[in-house]
Amino acid sequence: EAGVAQSPRYKIIEKRQSVAFWCNPISGHATLYWYQQILGQGPKLLIQFQNNGVVDDSQLPKDRFSAERLKGVDSTLKIQPAKLEDSAVYLCASSLDRGLQPQHFGDGTRLSIL
Amino acid sequence: AQSVTQPDIHITVSEGASLELRCNYSYGATPYLFWYVQSPGQGLQLLLKYFSGDTLVQGIKGFEAEFKRSQSSFNLRKPSVHWSDAAEYFCAVGPYNTDKLIFGTGTRLQVFP
Repeated sequence: EAGVAQSPRYKIIEKRQSVAFWCNPISGHATLYWYQQILGQGPKLLIQFQNNGVVDDSQLPKDRFSAERLKGVDSTLKIQPAKLEDSAVYLCASSLDRGLQPQHFGDGTRLSIL
Repeated sequence: AQSVTQPDIHITVSEGASLELRCNYSYGATPYLFWYVQSPGQGLQLLLKYFSGDTLVQGIKGFEAEFKRSQSSFNLRKPSVHWSDAAEYFCAVGPYNTDKLIFGTGTRLQVFP
């Protein structure tokens, strides 16, 4: 089966610019996650979707980050405006359903803010 | 508060040597426990998981882990390391019946020939 697809793989922007990341989960997976992984740290959950609804966005900086999964399949994560501390790898993961592990991860998007 | 501690930031072993990566967790109830591996430039791959039952769990690539409730530990082991095992290893805890994984800060494994 095809894995979780993410694009772009790398992105370099200047602070205060905007950026968007795309994720296509494994076919049939109802649950989709976005994680932020800062260098030297473990991934931190930003937002979790169940189909096209948000389950948990408690750690999403909502003043600058937004995410959507309009049709319950692929998802977009946006940052506007970007800050230097947003430099990180953004990982997307999916699982068959809630409470069912494991989560399958994509290769991530590495974001550098200048 | 729930947390995961991986006390070793970086470990170096020789190929063929045994390996143990430490993981301690803080959680008030029975946790779900996981070990993931991340190769450079790639996402995380699940090595093994513990939900309940036998406290010694077997995973992929010859890895195993032992859950010790009295020590709040879930250490990862491999009897003989291969050069391809060089990567970053993350321990994670997930509260019962939810999806929210809390990751440790990772242990980078370097393997010398």
